[in-house]
Amino acid sequence: SELTQDPAASVALGQTVTITCQGDSLRSYYGSWYQQKPGQAPVLVIYGQNIRPSGIPDRFSGSSSGDTISLTITGAQTEDEADYYCNSRDTSGGQRVFGGGTKLTV
Amino acid sequence: EVQLVESGGGLVKPGGSLRLSCAASGFTFSSNTMNWVRQAPGKGLEWVSSISSGSSYMFFADSVKGRFTISRDNAQNSLSLQMNSLRVEDTGVYYCARERDRYGEFDFWGQGTQVTVSS
Repeated sequence: SELTQDPAASVALGQTVTITCQGDSLRSYYGSWYQQKPGQAPVLVIYGQNIRPSGIPDRFSGSSSGDTISLTITGAQTEDEADYYCNSRDTSGGQRVFGGGTKLTV
Repeated sequence: EVQLVESGGGLVKPGGSLRLSCAASGFTFSSNTMNWVRQAPGKGLEWVSSISSGSSYMFFADSVKGRFTISRDNAQNSLSLQMNSLRVEDTGVYYCARERDRYGEFDFWGQGTQVTVSS
């Protein structure tokens, strides 16, 4: 099972951008989103459709519809420039899988 | 404070073996499924393996099945990944990550350990 993301996205400073992740398993399992900056470990930014961990700014939000989950950044900041990955289980429920990642340019 | 610290990475020849460890602290280690995730140079994240809290369930990516084994010692708060028959394409940074049950998210990650497979 795969999760498909657009390889790149761009947004003007202060504007809104939505990154999507599509996969059959998302109809059955929750997805989550991770931000990764160069040389750093990934950081969880959204899980369970639209739950932000403590410390994640409220400009990050998530949604889900059918086989697609989305990450929206409302009022993007320069520090949001990073790679973003989605993650979920595969259709069998055992293996986990990451999307190919979206490189966001602000 | 939750901490995950990986160790054991290094340079190994193709066909060789390496054992990675992840030392956990700051939470009840025995309560969480744990995962290994890797990242090849300049590439995206790739899930490698997971092990349930009591070691009853283990899963592997197709790319490592039959070559890698995962284990944990809940008494020592440690997670391990035994990597055998290593290939050049196994090169990358290996992260351990804690998983939470309800939504399956990986909420804490270590800083990673570098594995280089090269002749």
